[in-house]
Amino acid sequence: GENVEQHPSTLSVQEGDSAVIKCTYSDSASNYFPWYKQELGKGPQLIIDIRSNVGEKKDQRIAVTLNKTAKHFSLHITETQPEDSAVYFCAAAFSGNTPLVFGKGTRLSVIA
Amino acid sequence: KAGVTQTPRYLIKTRGQQVTLSCSPISGHRSVSWYQQTPGQGLQFLFEYFSETQRNKGNFPGRFSGRQFSNSRSEMNVSTLELGDSALYLCASSLVSGSSYEQYFGPGTRLTVT
Repeated sequence: GENVEQHPSTLSVQEGDSAVIKCTYSDSASNYFPWYKQELGKGPQLIIDIRSNVGEKKDQRIAVTLNKTAKHFSLHITETQPEDSAVYFCAAAFSGNTPLVFGKGTRLSVIA
Repeated sequence: KAGVTQTPRYLIKTRGQQVTLSCSPISGHRSVSWYQQTPGQGLQFLFEYFSETQRNKGNFPGRFSGRQFSNSRSEMNVSTLELGDSALYLCASSLVSGSSYEQYFGPGTRLTVT
């Protein structure tokens, strides 16, 4: 089955700097890669996703890149703000037919 | 549109008891998935229901079960609770139509087993 590795497990950045979180997946059939943000006491919130027919997707300060050959994808957050502090999870699945398999999460701290 | 709602939000049970958790998906969403979240294991898939049928099942013992009703609301049940069942139980709903299969999570039910 699918296995998703996520790095780093913790990340501290200064406000205004960029943050990058990386994930690798094992199943080449996976074609859907969402990213979730989880704040304390809340459920994970879908912030961006990418499908395997696209190499990069941007939404304001966040972007995701996908390298199908290497089977890895990354989340990029630019101009970080204190409210970006949270735990971020990557996941992988094959369309809507298989369950999402999550990475272990990255705790991002943005220091003002 | 209202988001995914889960009840109750917090629950304390004693080892050996059973518990039922409820999830109401986003209006129009027909798929409901359940996940267990713990600090050690992260987010682990329990099962998915689509149109009242279990479509996928994770690697959890038979003490964990679920069902979905005709209005897409779902419940999960855990029987003979163990201390290790203490976790945040998350429900996620999805439209699952064409290329729309994004999952949206509820706030979770925090279960503590003593």
